[in-house]
Amino acid sequence: GNSVTQMEGPVTLSEEAFLTINCTYTATGYPSLFWYVQYPGEGLQLLLKATKADDKGSNKGFEATYRKETTSFHLEKGSVQVSDSAVYFCALKDNFNKFYFGSGTKLNVKP
Amino acid sequence: NAGVTQTPKFQVLKTGQSMTLQCAQDMNHNSMYWYRQDPGMGLRLIYYSASEGTTDKGEVPNGYNVSRLNKREFSLRLESAAPSQTSVYFCASSRLAGTTDTQYFGPGTRLTVL
Repeated sequence: GNSVTQMEGPVTLSEEAFLTINCTYTATGYPSLFWYVQYPGEGLQLLLKATKADDKGSNKGFEATYRKETTSFHLEKGSVQVSDSAVYFCALKDNFNKFYFGSGTKLNVKP
Repeated sequence: NAGVTQTPKFQVLKTGQSMTLQCAQDMNHNSMYWYRQDPGMGLRLIYYSASEGTTDKGEVPNGYNVSRLNKREFSLRLESAAPSQTSVYFCASSRLAGTTDTQYFGPGTRLTVL
């Protein structure tokens, strides 16, 4: 079946450090891939998405590339800020419009 | 523009009690979803409604029922609450099923079953 696996957290970084959060997926067909962010006490917000192989999604300095050959969609940011501290979820949407979410990775950024 | 709203924000129930979680969206979206979020397990789909008048089971439907009251509202009912249903519940909506549209989430309902 479809599933998403992402690296366990928490990830703790200093401000301005480089961020990578790994995400791999298993899916039949041609899924769309998403990164969502959840700030404390809030619901999930879309961060970026990619709908086909080799697409790069980007937003607020974050980016991720849809790699079909490695079934991956790793999230990266060149210089994190304290305000980026949150939980990040990788997700896929299958051909039947169902979403599958990873378990989430908590990011802590220290000043 | 309120987006997706959920009520209540917090609820404590005793085992065996019933309750309904309410969700409404004002974005004229066709599809609505209910998820539960448990520590270390991400979000799991309970039920969804691809369009008004239809509902389908998700990954973890047991112990829950849903009603798509109209295009705006999608409620989740626990008929006889159990401690295993302690979780944070999120409602979401998307514009159209079968497309690459994303989902928009409500702020969540934190439910504790004693």
